[in-house]
Amino acid sequence: EADIYQTPRYLVIGTGKKITLECSQTMGHDKMYWYQQDPGMELHLIHYSYGVNSTEKGDLSSESTVSRIRTEHFPLTLESARPSHTSQYLCASSEFGGGYNEQFFGPGTRLTVL
Amino acid sequence: DAKTTQPNSMESNEEEPVHLPCNHSTISGTDYIHWYRQLPSQGPEYVIHGLTSNVNNRMASLAIAEDRKSSTLILHRATLRDAAVYYCILRDVTGAQKLVFGQGTRLTINP
Repeated sequence: EADIYQTPRYLVIGTGKKITLECSQTMGHDKMYWYQQDPGMELHLIHYSYGVNSTEKGDLSSESTVSRIRTEHFPLTLESARPSHTSQYLCASSEFGGGYNEQFFGPGTRLTVL
Repeated sequence: DAKTTQPNSMESNEEEPVHLPCNHSTISGTDYIHWYRQLPSQGPEYVIHGLTSNVNNRMASLAIAEDRKSSTLILHRATLRDAAVYYCILRDVTGAQKLVFGQGTRLTINP
């Protein structure tokens, strides 16, 4: 059973608001990831982290930012939300190691910006 | 990142085996073959992975061609709960070891 949590599950917000999407895992995993997925489309990696104080940009450019102050916590922030940010955001984690380690995904946050 | 090619969609009947193909002709020697699936309104979940040899677990089997340029995910007895998008992904052992998702195969299971 994957122990990775995302809150909120659904968020509807107006343009210009600052939002933070929370992601926490209780598995002690070093690596954490954020993916973005539009409805019916493929997932794209937007941020990842190797561990505390490590953050990297992913394959898809994103106006969001992330931080990794604690191993278990990897929040994503949008300073000023826009309708183009409407999407599903999925958080994942994995153990540090070779390419054989599986990634555990959270249930996602579905964001709608009006 | 090495790319994979999968059929857009497949259909099968409940309680029958399902073979989901994946081509990865540009696979490198250090790439692991991973399969994930995404049920409606959920995040992806791990199904199985392999490097060179065929693999079995409680969810599925993975058959890997001898030249590693293709693989097949086998669901031995499909149920309605197996209806999902199945992703075949090559994952390298270096760097971020990120997953690069393609379009996947949308599997429909008929009762």
